[in-house]
Amino acid sequence: AQSVTQPDIHITVSEGASLELRCNYSYGATPYLFWYVQSPGQGLQLLLKYFSGDTLVQGIKGFEAEFKRSQSSFNLRKPSVHWSDAAEYFCAVGAYGQNFVFGPGTRLSVLP
Amino acid sequence: SQTIHQWPATLVQPVGSPLSLECTVEGTSNPNLYWYRQAAGRGLQLLFYSVGIGQISSEVPQNLSASRPQDRQFILSSKKLLLSDSGFYLCAWSQGLGQPQHFGDGTRLSIL
Repeated sequence: AQSVTQPDIHITVSEGASLELRCNYSYGATPYLFWYVQSPGQGLQLLLKYFSGDTLVQGIKGFEAEFKRSQSSFNLRKPSVHWSDAAEYFCAVGAYGQNFVFGPGTRLSVLP
Repeated sequence: SQTIHQWPATLVQPVGSPLSLECTVEGTSNPNLYWYRQAAGRGLQLLFYSVGIGQISSEVPQNLSASRPQDRQFILSSKKLLLSDSGFYLCAWSQGLGQPQHFGDGTRLSIL
């Protein structure tokens, strides 16, 4: 069965520190991979996507993610976190002609 | 550019009352449309999706129904709301299955 896991329910980092949010997936087809961010009471905003090619993808707001096929992972990174990055982050997996499977989300808190 | 509108933003309804949430997309044609529910502190659950006018696929059995009367309009309905229908409802669109989904701002539904 297709599934997405985000092992960390809640992460707290200090402003200016680096960030890595983990995402692992189990998917039968060649996956398309996505990261979304959700501020409280808001919809989801697409941060970045991977379809094929270069396994390191750049997104908006200074985020990047690396696809590692051997580890079935698509971890999200940011070198220096800002207080405005506090939000919920969702990893999602899809494929051509297939619906998304979303992970359960990781809540990020940022300390001043 | 494409935009997606959801309304109302918040709704308080008594148990047993009907429901109608509306979602419209502008700036694109023949989009795929989706309804998700997000329970408090939980991930996203796909309720319905539609690949064309009058074509609705249900992902989970429930008290809700969906309709697509026009190309860019998607409606979520219920004849009699249950307490368990409370949650945050999100509409989304994409160019096709597996393509990036773009979300509305959501509707917070509270059942009393």
